[in-house]
Amino acid sequence: RKEVEQDPGPFNVPEGATVAFNCTYSNSASQSFFWYRQDCRKEPKLLMSVYSSGNEDGRFTAQLNRASQYISLLIRDSKLSDSATYLCVVNMYIPPGTYKYIFGTGTRLKVLA
Amino acid sequence: DAGVIQSPRHEVTEMGQEVTLRCKPISGHDYLFWYRQTMMRGLELLIYFNNNVPIDDSGMPEDRFSAKMPNASFSTLKIQPSEPRDSAVYFCASRGTPQASTNSPLHFGNGTRLTVT
Repeated sequence: RKEVEQDPGPFNVPEGATVAFNCTYSNSASQSFFWYRQDCRKEPKLLMSVYSSGNEDGRFTAQLNRASQYISLLIRDSKLSDSATYLCVVNMYIPPGTYKYIFGTGTRLKVLA
Repeated sequence: DAGVIQSPRHEVTEMGQEVTLRCKPISGHDYLFWYRQTMMRGLELLIYFNNNVPIDDSGMPEDRFSAKMPNASFSTLKIQPSEPRDSAVYFCASRGTPQASTNSPLHFGNGTRLTVT
């Protein structure tokens, strides 16, 4: 089982739609969580951190469910410019005492006019 | 403020040649990471440094790969000899150490696209 798993997609949605992605992680000792966005042939860029209580940034909402070990990203009123690959990142505890940022393989989103 | 700076942006080389990738982290960041990205495997952590010291190099594929960080503002990733299967995009990322250190995100450079023929 992969340490961080995402549905690769693609998710093809019309402009204005709401779309949600999930990401599951295997290590219950994971400490912190992030969503990154990566455009074609570009570097990953931080979209938002994910906090235990859930957090919102404009049209984007992130949630964490520690009991079920998944995080989610909700995009409301999607725009053409939201088309990208969304990477789930988990800062995971690796025994005996280090942390690693583990990336999912990403979910591709295409917003259609 | 300047972000993470990587060079070169593109590198095309022949099999067997030595390749050196360079990275300058964000000033004040004391963690530096090297990742490799391919279509098949996604982003893989190769090695990371804290205060210029390698902490975890378990992701380095084999002895042909080596990384150094001689000072806080510079790191290199070297492949010698290079092989076609090393073709990928190599990203450098850095991170600061706030009080809640595990919550700090990574900041990526533009990457080096390596093609080994």
